[in-house]
Amino acid sequence: ELKVEQNPLFLSMQEEKNYTIYCNYSTTSDRLYWYRQDPGKSLESLFVLLSNGAVKQEGRLMASLDTKARLSTLHITAAVHDLSATYFCAVGPHNDMRFGAGTRLTVKP
Amino acid sequence: EADIYQTPRYLVIGTGKKITLECSQTMGHDKMYWYQQDPGMELHLIHYSYGVNSTEKGDLSSESTVSRIRTEHFPLTLESARPSHTSQYLCASSSSGENEQFFGPGTRLTVL
Repeated sequence: ELKVEQNPLFLSMQEEKNYTIYCNYSTTSDRLYWYRQDPGKSLESLFVLLSNGAVKQEGRLMASLDTKARLSTLHITAAVHDLSATYFCAVGPHNDMRFGAGTRLTVKP
Repeated sequence: EADIYQTPRYLVIGTGKKITLECSQTMGHDKMYWYQQDPGMELHLIHYSYGVNSTEKGDLSSESTVSRIRTEHFPLTLESARPSHTSQYLCASSSSGENEQFFGPGTRLTVL
């Protein structure tokens, strides 16, 4: 059974600092998704990673995928308050997509 | 931009009531999904559909049922609501290819 683990689950960081969120998964998959969820809101798609070595960047966020290590990272550069949210990774085929528990990020001034 | 809608956004009902949560998308996506999410927790797939007249159960056991009579519409029904059904229900859709799922705004259900 596919299992997805994110760490850390809670992350409090200062503005302008850098940090990385990790997403490990247990079985082979060639696609991985990152989503953002604001409190009380729905999920917003951030990145779709479709192959080994894929790297995508949007603003202060950069996501990468290593299918051999079964690992994806979401790197935050020079954090700002607006990035405060919960970030989920998701892995698997469309009919059995498994989500990580989420990383609740708080960016403090 | 994703166009997927859910109604109602919030619902408070008593135990034993029958309810239907509506989900519609205007993107022509063939695949649609229902997820259940408790506050601050991960999502669990409860139903999905490949297309019209196709419905399947997800990994989370659920007492709900779904139907897919039209491509754009994927309602979820609870025949007899219980307090254990209190949760947020998220509808999503995707097309073939990247299978990127687009989520609706969610329905926050409270069963008293």
